Amino acid sequence: QSVLTQSPSASGTPGQRVTISCSGSSSNIGSNTVNWYQQLPGTAPKLLIYSNIQRPSGVPDRFSGSKSGTSASLAISGLQSEDEADYYCAAWDDSLNGNWVFGGGTKLTVL
Amino acid sequence: EVQLVESGGGLVQPGRSLRLSCAASGFTFDDYAMHWVRQAPGKGLEWISGISWNSGYIDYADSVKGRFTISRDNAKNSLYLQMNSLRPEDTAFYYCARGFTIFVRDGIDMWGQGTMVTVSS
Repeated sequence: QSVLTQSPSASGTPGQRVTISCSGSSSNIGSNTVNWYQQLPGTAPKLLIYSNIQRPSGVPDRFSGSKSGTSASLAISGLQSEDEADYYCAAWDDSLNGNWVFGGGTKLTVL
Repeated sequence: EVQLVESGGGLVQPGRSLRLSCAASGFTFDDYAMHWVRQAPGKGLEWISGISWNSGYIDYADSVKGRFTISRDNAKNSLYLQMNSLRPEDTAFYYCARGFTIFVRDGIDMWGQGTMVTVSS
């Protein structure tokens, strides 16, 4: 059971806009920033969004992040077939000794 | 080019030990915290340990605390994970990852390709 909660799956057709949500608590998302990672099939994860809304160099502006309270969202607009991947949210958790926690991941299917 | 290359994975019996290594290149190693993250087959990501730039701050997930030890050698641009008392549930891909800054709590920006650890008799 992951500390951060994500829907296991999402889908969309090419060109559509898809949103993936991540729910946490006051000790993680509520008090710290959220990062998003993309994991294409058979590859290592890659940083997609950091500090809630920032995109690393090279990440298309089709990808955007947001945060409100204890939840965060990743939006993908103009969906493309190469966006088919697993997406994970992550945040620092201040409870106990402090740890990094991940969501369980959302598998995005491009129909 | 930033590179993180893990090694040391393999098949090991329950209760035995294994040491993973991660060779870093393409950046100033001691300017960054480092992490180990694992992924069981078909499952999600699990952060298991982080170490600050000078080893002054080290943290572990409860699932490995007391069994795993993270360390780094800045002179050799290398990160390590000593895994003792291994269990079948430790079977996973183990990723070496670089932090954004010198602090563990600032998160991960780069990942290696991973090394597979299988714990089975």
